[in-house]
Amino acid sequence: EVQLVESGGVAVEPGGSLRLSCAAYGFSFDDYTMHWVRQAPGKGLEWVSLITRDGGATVYADSVKGRFTISRDNNKNSLYLQMHGLRTEDTALYYCAKVVSPNIDYYMDVWGKGTTVTVSS
Amino acid sequence: DIQMTQSPSSLFASVGDRVTITCRASQGIADYLAWYQQKPGEVPKLLIHAASTLHSGVPSRFSGSGSGTDFTLTISSLQPEDVATYYCQKYNDAPPTFGPGTKVDIK
Repeated sequence: EVQLVESGGVAVEPGGSLRLSCAAYGFSFDDYTMHWVRQAPGKGLEWVSLITRDGGATVYADSVKGRFTISRDNNKNSLYLQMHGLRTEDTALYYCAKVVSPNIDYYMDVWGKGTTVTVSS
Repeated sequence: DIQMTQSPSSLFASVGDRVTITCRASQGIADYLAWYQQKPGEVPKLLIHAASTLHSGVPSRFSGSGSGTDFTLTISSLQPEDVATYYCQKYNDAPPTFGPGTKVDIK
């Protein structure tokens, strides 16, 4: 079964750092571009970042550029999001998601259940 | 960056009604548009890509249309299990921005 499982979300103070992980199961992880998408409590979906299948290209939303770094380890079938300089507005449920097929970069067919990041003093 | 808007932001309709949601891009995106459904407490689910192509397993009462800047998602006969928030997403280039969502509920 194709599955994504996020972890690493905790409560941190503003200015803090955090590393989210996403473990992938049931598909050839290194064939697919991967994304992070977040959803603040009671709000809509906000795209955060993507990384191409070999890690050669990364893209970030303006709201996180310079503070977040996306990476992957294809040997471990894992996706990561390193977060620095956290702000209260980064509080959200963070989903990792895979794209539909190897030749598609942008729309996603499998989502994890998410991991919750809370930024508060 | 291209901005996405959706209307209405919420709607109530009766079971069996035809429901139409509109998504508009601030610039033309050809047919590089996807629709997602997010039921309460669940993760988003891909419904449609390429503006009108139904994703595998999606019921045929869902359909999409449009090109350029204006797009629609139609539910031909609303069912109770369709209660959800619907998001459009443009993907002609990065960032693959989501629209703000349309919440659909039963009257």
